[in-house]
Amino acid sequence: EADIYQTPRYLVIGTGKKITLECSQTMGHDKMYWYQQDPGMELHLIHYSYGVNSTEKGDLSSESTVSRIRTEHFPLTLESARPSHTSQYLCASSTSDGLVVEQYFGPGTRLTVT
Amino acid sequence: QQQVKQSPQSLIVQKGGISIINCAYENTAFDYFPWYQQFPGKGPALLIAIRPDVSEKKEGRFTISFNKSAKQFSLHIMDSQPGDSATYFCAASIRNNDMRFGAGTRLTVKP
Repeated sequence: EADIYQTPRYLVIGTGKKITLECSQTMGHDKMYWYQQDPGMELHLIHYSYGVNSTEKGDLSSESTVSRIRTEHFPLTLESARPSHTSQYLCASSTSDGLVVEQYFGPGTRLTVT
Repeated sequence: QQQVKQSPQSLIVQKGGISIINCAYENTAFDYFPWYQQFPGKGPALLIAIRPDVSEKKEGRFTISFNKSAKQFSLHIMDSQPGDSATYFCAASIRNNDMRFGAGTRLTVKP
Protein backbone atom coordinates (compact mmCIF):
# COMPACT_ATOMS: atom_id res chain seq x y z
CA GLU A 1 0.00 0.00 0.00
CA ALA A 2 1.43 3.34 -1.08
CA ASP A 3 1.94 6.03 1.54
CA ILE A 4 0.29 8.86 -0.30
CA TYR A 5 -2.64 10.69 1.17
CA GLN A 6 -5.26 13.04 -0.16
CA THR A 7 -7.77 15.14 1.73
CA PRO A 8 -10.62 15.68 1.56
CA ARG A 9 -11.86 12.53 -0.17
CA TYR A 10 -15.12 14.21 -1.17
CA LEU A 11 -15.95 17.91 -1.43
CA VAL A 12 -19.13 19.67 -2.48
CA ILE A 13 -18.71 23.41 -2.73
CA GLY A 14 -20.46 26.42 -4.23
CA THR A 15 -19.33 28.42 -7.22
CA GLY A 16 -16.76 31.11 -6.50
CA LYS A 17 -15.27 29.51 -3.40
CA LYS A 18 -11.54 29.05 -2.95
CA ILE A 19 -10.48 25.49 -2.29
CA THR A 20 -7.24 23.64 -1.59
CA LEU A 21 -6.84 19.94 -2.19
CA GLU A 22 -4.15 18.43 -0.01
CA CYS A 23 -1.67 15.76 -1.04
CA SER A 24 1.17 14.37 1.01
CA GLN A 25 3.53 11.41 0.70
CA THR A 26 5.90 9.85 3.19
CA MET A 27 8.11 8.00 0.70
CA GLY A 28 10.56 10.84 0.10
CA HIS A 29 9.75 10.89 -3.62
CA ASP A 30 11.05 13.89 -5.51
CA LYS A 31 8.46 13.77 -8.30
CA MET A 32 4.81 14.57 -7.65
CA TYR A 33 1.83 14.95 -10.00
CA TRP A 34 -1.78 16.06 -10.14
CA TYR A 35 -4.15 14.37 -12.58
CA GLN A 36 -7.76 15.07 -13.44
CA GLN A 37 -9.88 11.99 -14.08
CA ASP A 38 -13.35 11.99 -15.62
CA PRO A 39 -15.39 8.79 -16.17
CA GLY A 40 -14.37 6.96 -19.34
CA MET A 41 -11.56 9.39 -20.02
CA GLU A 42 -7.81 9.12 -19.67
CA LEU A 43 -6.01 10.65 -16.75
CA HIS A 44 -5.02 14.17 -17.70
CA LEU A 45 -1.85 15.61 -16.18
CA ILE A 46 -2.56 19.13 -14.90
CA HIS A 47 0.53 19.87 -12.77
CA TYR A 48 3.80 18.24 -11.84
CA SER A 49 6.87 18.90 -9.73
CA TYR A 50 10.33 17.38 -9.89
CA GLY A 51 11.40 18.75 -6.52
CA VAL A 52 11.07 21.51 -3.96
CA ASN A 53 10.33 24.91 -5.51
CA SER A 54 9.82 23.28 -8.92
CA THR A 55 6.35 23.23 -10.48
CA GLU A 56 5.18 22.92 -14.08
CA LYS A 57 1.85 22.88 -15.87
CA GLY A 58 0.79 19.68 -17.57
CA ASP A 59 -1.01 19.10 -20.83
CA LEU A 60 -4.49 19.90 -19.67
CA SER A 61 -5.12 23.58 -19.22
CA SER A 62 -6.17 24.18 -15.67
CA GLU A 63 -7.10 27.23 -13.66
CA SER A 64 -5.60 25.65 -10.58
CA THR A 65 -2.21 26.40 -9.05
CA VAL A 66 0.20 24.27 -7.05
CA SER A 67 3.11 24.77 -4.70
CA ARG A 68 5.98 22.57 -3.55
CA ILE A 69 7.57 24.07 -0.46
CA ARG A 70 8.29 20.71 1.16
CA THR A 71 9.22 17.43 -0.51
CA GLU A 72 6.29 15.58 1.02
CA HIS A 73 3.55 18.13 0.35
CA PHE A 74 1.99 19.17 -2.99
CA PRO A 75 -1.30 21.07 -2.52
CA LEU A 76 -3.53 22.15 -5.39
CA THR A 77 -5.56 25.37 -5.12
CA LEU A 78 -8.55 26.65 -7.07
CA GLU A 79 -9.00 30.38 -6.39
CA SER A 80 -12.59 30.46 -7.64
CA ALA A 81 -14.33 27.14 -8.16
CA ARG A 82 -16.70 26.69 -11.10
CA PRO A 83 -19.03 23.82 -12.11
CA SER A 84 -16.58 22.97 -14.92
CA HIS A 85 -14.06 22.04 -12.20
CA THR A 86 -16.28 19.15 -11.09
CA SER A 87 -14.10 16.06 -11.46
CA GLN A 88 -11.93 13.55 -9.63
CA TYR A 89 -8.44 14.79 -8.79
CA LEU A 90 -5.66 12.27 -8.29
CA CYS A 91 -2.28 12.98 -6.75
CA ALA A 92 0.72 10.75 -7.46
CA SER A 93 4.42 10.55 -6.68
CA SER A 94 7.40 8.67 -8.06
CA THR A 95 11.15 8.40 -7.75
CA SER A 96 13.66 9.49 -10.36
CA ASP A 97 15.78 6.37 -10.18
CA GLY A 98 15.65 2.85 -11.45
CA LEU A 99 14.33 1.03 -14.45
CA VAL A 100 10.93 0.45 -12.88
CA VAL A 101 9.05 3.72 -12.84
CA GLU A 102 6.04 3.39 -10.64
CA GLN A 103 3.72 6.26 -9.97
CA TYR A 104 2.04 5.78 -6.61
CA PHE A 105 -1.44 7.24 -6.56
CA GLY A 106 -3.49 8.59 -3.71
CA PRO A 107 -7.18 7.63 -3.37
CA GLY A 108 -8.35 10.82 -5.06
CA THR A 109 -10.57 13.76 -4.19
CA ARG A 110 -13.97 13.86 -5.82
CA LEU A 111 -14.90 17.52 -6.24
CA THR A 112 -18.40 18.73 -7.04
CA VAL A 113 -18.96 22.43 -7.64
CA THR A 114 -22.60 23.51 -7.51
CA GLN B 1 -4.63 14.69 -28.82
CA GLN B 2 -4.81 11.29 -27.21
CA GLN B 3 -1.33 9.77 -27.45
CA VAL B 4 -2.29 6.34 -26.16
CA LYS B 5 -5.49 4.79 -27.53
CA GLN B 6 -7.08 2.02 -25.50
CA SER B 7 -9.82 -0.46 -26.37
CA PRO B 8 -12.34 -1.71 -25.56
CA GLN B 9 -13.97 0.83 -23.27
CA SER B 10 -15.68 -1.97 -21.35
CA LEU B 11 -15.31 -5.73 -21.26
CA ILE B 12 -17.38 -8.51 -19.72
CA VAL B 13 -15.75 -11.92 -19.29
CA GLN B 14 -16.87 -15.12 -17.64
CA LYS B 15 -14.90 -16.44 -14.68
CA GLY B 16 -12.02 -18.54 -15.95
CA GLY B 17 -11.91 -16.80 -19.31
CA ILE B 18 -9.20 -14.65 -20.87
CA SER B 19 -9.48 -10.87 -20.73
CA ILE B 20 -7.64 -8.95 -23.44
CA ILE B 21 -7.19 -5.18 -23.48
CA ASN B 22 -5.38 -3.41 -26.30
CA CYS B 23 -3.45 -0.17 -26.58
CA ALA B 24 -1.83 1.64 -29.47
CA TYR B 25 0.57 4.57 -29.52
CA GLU B 26 2.11 6.89 -32.10
CA ASN B 27 5.18 8.37 -30.45
CA THR B 28 8.14 6.05 -31.08
CA ALA B 29 10.09 7.83 -28.35
CA PHE B 30 8.02 6.09 -25.69
CA ASP B 31 10.28 3.64 -23.85
CA TYR B 32 8.21 2.41 -20.93
CA PHE B 33 4.73 0.86 -21.03
CA PRO B 34 2.96 0.17 -17.72
CA TRP B 35 -0.52 -1.10 -16.96
CA TYR B 36 -2.40 0.24 -13.96
CA GLN B 37 -5.35 -1.32 -12.15
CA GLN B 38 -7.93 0.83 -10.38
CA PHE B 39 -10.63 -0.36 -8.00
CA PRO B 40 -13.62 1.87 -7.14
CA GLY B 41 -12.71 4.50 -4.56
CA LYS B 42 -8.98 3.89 -4.95
CA GLY B 43 -6.21 5.42 -7.00
CA PRO B 44 -4.62 3.43 -9.84
CA ALA B 45 -1.88 0.98 -8.84
CA LEU B 46 0.90 -0.41 -11.03
CA LEU B 47 0.09 -3.92 -12.21
CA ILE B 48 2.83 -4.82 -14.69
CA ALA B 49 5.14 -2.95 -17.05
CA ILE B 50 7.35 -3.61 -20.06
CA ARG B 51 10.16 -1.92 -21.95
CA PRO B 52 10.36 -2.15 -25.78
CA ASP B 53 13.43 -4.41 -25.79
CA VAL B 54 11.22 -7.44 -24.99
CA SER B 55 8.07 -8.71 -26.71
CA GLU B 56 6.38 -10.29 -23.72
CA LYS B 57 6.38 -10.09 -19.94
CA LYS B 58 4.46 -12.40 -17.65
CA GLU B 59 3.67 -12.01 -13.97
CA GLY B 60 1.35 -14.66 -12.64
CA ARG B 61 -1.93 -14.53 -14.58
CA PHE B 62 -1.04 -11.18 -16.19
CA THR B 63 0.91 -10.93 -19.44
CA ILE B 64 1.91 -7.92 -21.54
CA SER B 65 2.44 -8.57 -25.24
CA PHE B 66 4.38 -5.86 -27.05
CA ASN B 67 4.59 -5.32 -30.81
CA LYS B 68 7.11 -2.57 -31.49
CA SER B 69 6.63 -2.49 -35.27
CA ALA B 70 2.87 -2.15 -34.95
CA LYS B 71 3.19 0.27 -32.01
CA GLN B 72 0.74 -1.80 -30.03
CA PHE B 73 0.73 -3.55 -26.68
CA SER B 74 -1.88 -5.55 -24.87
CA LEU B 75 -2.72 -6.94 -21.45
CA HIS B 76 -3.89 -10.54 -21.15
CA ILE B 77 -5.50 -11.76 -17.95
CA MET B 78 -5.63 -15.53 -17.87
CA ASP B 79 -8.17 -17.43 -15.76
CA SER B 80 -10.01 -14.18 -15.03
CA GLN B 81 -11.55 -13.96 -11.57
CA PRO B 82 -14.35 -11.76 -10.16
CA GLY B 83 -11.67 -10.06 -8.03
CA ASP B 84 -10.06 -8.84 -11.25
CA SER B 85 -13.10 -6.65 -11.91
CA ALA B 86 -11.64 -3.14 -12.06
CA THR B 87 -10.69 -0.41 -14.48
CA TYR B 88 -7.41 -0.97 -16.32
CA PHE B 89 -5.29 1.82 -17.78
CA CYS B 90 -2.41 1.42 -20.18
CA ALA B 91 0.23 4.12 -20.23
CA ALA B 92 3.44 5.12 -21.95
CA SER B 93 6.30 7.37 -20.98
CA ILE B 94 9.59 8.75 -22.26
CA ARG B 95 12.73 8.38 -20.13
CA ASN B 96 10.66 7.93 -16.97
CA ASN B 97 8.88 11.23 -17.50
CA ASP B 98 5.71 12.52 -19.02
CA MET B 99 3.43 9.50 -18.48
CA ARG B 100 0.49 9.36 -20.93
CA PHE B 101 -2.53 7.28 -20.00
CA GLY B 102 -5.16 5.55 -22.10
CA ALA B 103 -8.86 6.17 -21.46
CA GLY B 104 -9.29 3.01 -19.40
CA THR B 105 -11.16 -0.28 -19.77
CA ARG B 106 -13.82 -1.28 -17.29
CA LEU B 107 -13.51 -5.05 -16.82
CA THR B 108 -16.32 -7.08 -15.27
CA VAL B 109 -15.70 -10.76 -14.58
CA LYS B 110 -18.96 -12.63 -14.07
CA PRO B 111 -18.96 -15.56 -11.61
